[in-house]
Amino acid sequence: GESVGLHLPTLSVQEGDNSIINCAYSNSASDYFIWYKQESGKGPQFIIDIRSNMDKRQGQRVTVLLNKTVKHLSLQIAATQPGDSAVYFCAETPGSGYSTLTFGKGTMLLVSP
Amino acid sequence: NAGVTQTPKFQVLKTGQSMTLQCAQDMNHEYMSWYRQDPGMGLRLIHYSVGAGITDQGEVPNGYNVSRSTTEDFPLRLLSAAPSQTSVYFCASSREPSGASTDTQYFGPGTRLTVL
Repeated sequence: GESVGLHLPTLSVQEGDNSIINCAYSNSASDYFIWYKQESGKGPQFIIDIRSNMDKRQGQRVTVLLNKTVKHLSLQIAATQPGDSAVYFCAETPGSGYSTLTFGKGTMLLVSP
Repeated sequence: NAGVTQTPKFQVLKTGQSMTLQCAQDMNHEYMSWYRQDPGMGLRLIHYSVGAGITDQGEVPNGYNVSRSTTEDFPLRLLSAAPSQTSVYFCASSREPSGASTDTQYFGPGTRLTVL
């Protein structure tokens, strides 16, 4: 989702729940998409990526879904843990390099024990 | 490997002062970049380098200079700081700029800069 003012959209879940974080993109030419995790006071950390010729990709406890028709990307985290609490944001590029990456504003995930 | 390191972690400047934000990586990555992160804005690319001696502008280059004399180091210079440059600055590196899954960008811990 989009942020309102300076406040990030927040998703609050209980430990053990599955989390779904959404991202809408606008560039229909985007070819490569990345999800990053950013913990408080740290730099972004790569989670998972996907190319436009795929609609689903799975990692360890994470799955990224891509719907090119509606230009929508989602990150699913299975069995969410307190250590998953962070800001998550997506990035997109037409595939010509990191210099053309466009970053989303982010969603804060809060996991309660 | 230390990965990507940045110094200082925090800095307060007065308007008009100059300073250099340091960034170093020990992974022998060719590609390095500087981003700024502002609340509600996401990360925006300032400058990037595809190898020693080669730099180029990103989305928001005004007010910043860079140089890349070695593969390891990529300093960011603010010649005359302005309050609009108050932000968190991240340096990143990767083996190549191709955006392929094997070329993950590694980010440093960030420098929090306040310009009064």
